[in-house]
Amino acid sequence: GEDVEQSLFLSVREGDSSVINCTYTDSSSTYLYWYKQEPGAGLQLLTYIFSNMDMKQDQRLTVLLNKKDKHLSLRIADTQTGDSAIYFCAESTGTASKLTFGTGTRLQVTL
Amino acid sequence: DAGVIQSPRHEVTEMGQEVTLRCKPISGHDYLFWYRQTMMRGLELLIYFNNNVPIDDSGMPEDRFSAKMPNASFSTLKIQPSEPRDSAVYFCASRRGGGTEAFFGQGTRLTVV
Repeated sequence: GEDVEQSLFLSVREGDSSVINCTYTDSSSTYLYWYKQEPGAGLQLLTYIFSNMDMKQDQRLTVLLNKKDKHLSLRIADTQTGDSAIYFCAESTGTASKLTFGTGTRLQVTL
Repeated sequence: DAGVIQSPRHEVTEMGQEVTLRCKPISGHDYLFWYRQTMMRGLELLIYFNNNVPIDDSGMPEDRFSAKMPNASFSTLKIQPSEPRDSAVYFCASRRGGGTEAFFGQGTRLTVV
């Protein structure tokens, strides 16, 4: 079955860039997503990328996809304290509607 | 739109009791998902519906868990009898058919003592 892996924790200083990494196993993944979860809240979609793309940029967010290595990354430029949260990578496959989530990476932004 | 609405936000119950979690999806969304989040297992898909019909319930852990969607605007997840290991945050999400984004509710934090 599908498997999505992430590192558990990342700490960065305010103003630096953050890079959160994700690997997945399903080579037929169609869409790959990044969700953000703030404490006590649900998941909020940050951005997504279609599998035939290598890169997508949206303001401070840059998503890079290496389909050959099944590696996805999320770069947050000029990280702010408000970016502190858990970030989940997720994938969906073909016409399947369900999302398979990674374990989540807790981002801590320090002053 | 108010988004996906879940109730209750918090539930504390004794082992052996029946628990019912409720979800109101966003109007017009064809898909509804139930997820469970725990520290040990992360986010797991329990079941999802399309047009009120259960499509994949392979993630439902045991027969103690059941889910229904009697109409397009309401779904329930029931645990009977509940056990301490069911303690988790349960999320409901909905998505429009053909859309790419699933919208999540705030979750129900369930504690079984």
